[in-house]
Amino acid sequence: DQQVKQNSPSLSVQEGRISILNCDYTNSMFDYFLWYKKYPAEGPTFLISISSIKDKNEDGRFTVFLNKSAKHLSLHIVPSQPGDSAVYFCAASGTASNTGKLIFGQGTTLQVKP
Amino acid sequence: DVKVTQSSRYLVKRTGEKVFLECVQDMDHENMFWYRQDPGLGLRLIYFSYDVKMKEKGDIPEGYSVSREKKERFSLILESASTNQTSMYLCASFDPGRPSYEQYFGPGTRLTVT
Repeated sequence: DQQVKQNSPSLSVQEGRISILNCDYTNSMFDYFLWYKKYPAEGPTFLISISSIKDKNEDGRFTVFLNKSAKHLSLHIVPSQPGDSAVYFCAASGTASNTGKLIFGQGTTLQVKP
Repeated sequence: DVKVTQSSRYLVKRTGEKVFLECVQDMDHENMFWYRQDPGLGLRLIYFSYDVKMKEKGDIPEGYSVSREKKERFSLILESASTNQTSMYLCASFDPGRPSYEQYFGPGTRLTVT
């Protein structure tokens, strides 16, 4: 039972355009969501997060949108750069337990073409 | 800066061998995690630990065990390695006191079982 789903395995965009990565979840107890970026042969690095009390969080070129009624979040990267080419994972957590446990999606491979 | 280190970047073992993967974090974090990452499956939790000598099974604990004798060190043990345990193994740490709720990852160990 996949509680966090990234239905697009890959995405290709031109440099300078917008990249939109999508993520759906099923568990209504999730109240915190994170995006991680991973280069080959490296560990994931934290990118941006959002609490369920918000519907948008912005950090430079990265914006995460949360639609709780649809159980959907998206990561927007504007403008996209070749260095953004990586695998992006969304993750969800129920913070009530405070264990830090994250449920990850399958990942989306983003390719930004020069 | 939080630093999570893993003992090996690449490891090749034979079927049936006992394998130890070591992880050390330097920020006095309470919680530590072991994941494996496989293409199309995302990151799946094997085990986590919320204190010294305390551990909980994750989603895929079969064939693995863990040890946490000191707060900074969390070891993953493959009792008898099998080819289906060929994967990227990622260790992470988490501080329940931080508001950002992010996990910090090590660089990963690419394990090949032949």
